[in-house]
Amino acid sequence: GIQVEQSPPDLILQEGANSTLRCNFSDSVNNLQWFHQNPWGQLINLFYIPSGTKQNGRLSATTVATERYSLLYISSSQTTDSGVYFCAGLNDYKLSFGAGTTVTVRA
Amino acid sequence: DTAVSQTPKYLVTQMGNDKSIKCEQNLGHDTMYWYKQDSKKFLKIMFSYNNKELIINETVPNRFSPKSPDKAHLNLHINSLELGDSAVYFCASSQLRDRYNSPLHFGNGTRLTVT
Repeated sequence: GIQVEQSPPDLILQEGANSTLRCNFSDSVNNLQWFHQNPWGQLINLFYIPSGTKQNGRLSATTVATERYSLLYISSSQTTDSGVYFCAGLNDYKLSFGAGTTVTVRA
Repeated sequence: DTAVSQTPKYLVTQMGNDKSIKCEQNLGHDTMYWYKQDSKKFLKIMFSYNNKELIINETVPNRFSPKSPDKAHLNLHINSLELGDSAVYFCASSQLRDRYNSPLHFGNGTRLTVT
């Protein structure tokens, strides 16, 4: 399977701050997803974004497929944004995950 | 309506026991998966079934045996449990026939603790 690198591994934010998370892929992917794992362990779909830009409220994502990377933007962060953010890329039949970015938003 | 449901949510058992985790999806997807999340939060695929046929079988001990009675169900049976099997196991589903447009949907996970 492909290798997925996420950066930074950890991020501490003050409430209200903006941030960018990055995901790099070792090979081209058929599709790409961003997930949020909340403190209760649930994996929540954020974006399905093989290319282009999408927005959902305070979150947006951009994938540049030709350069094999994707970015997740968090604006005006809230404490409920805390958790681990994973990106995952589909190559052939396998969805391979990065190691995640642990985000802590402090009030 | 829960899209992907797995039971039990928590499972505590002793070494050497045999246990099963059940998964069901009501999304009409043709493909189901088992992922293991270790203590460092890393998610790794274990198995995948497409229309009841095994299509992915990663390097997993043969004590782990998936069973798919139909395309809406994928169960995981684990024999002779070991301490290292302690992890969170996630079931997921997608529409592989339309894999360019079908995101993966996860269940809420089963936290397995082997003592």
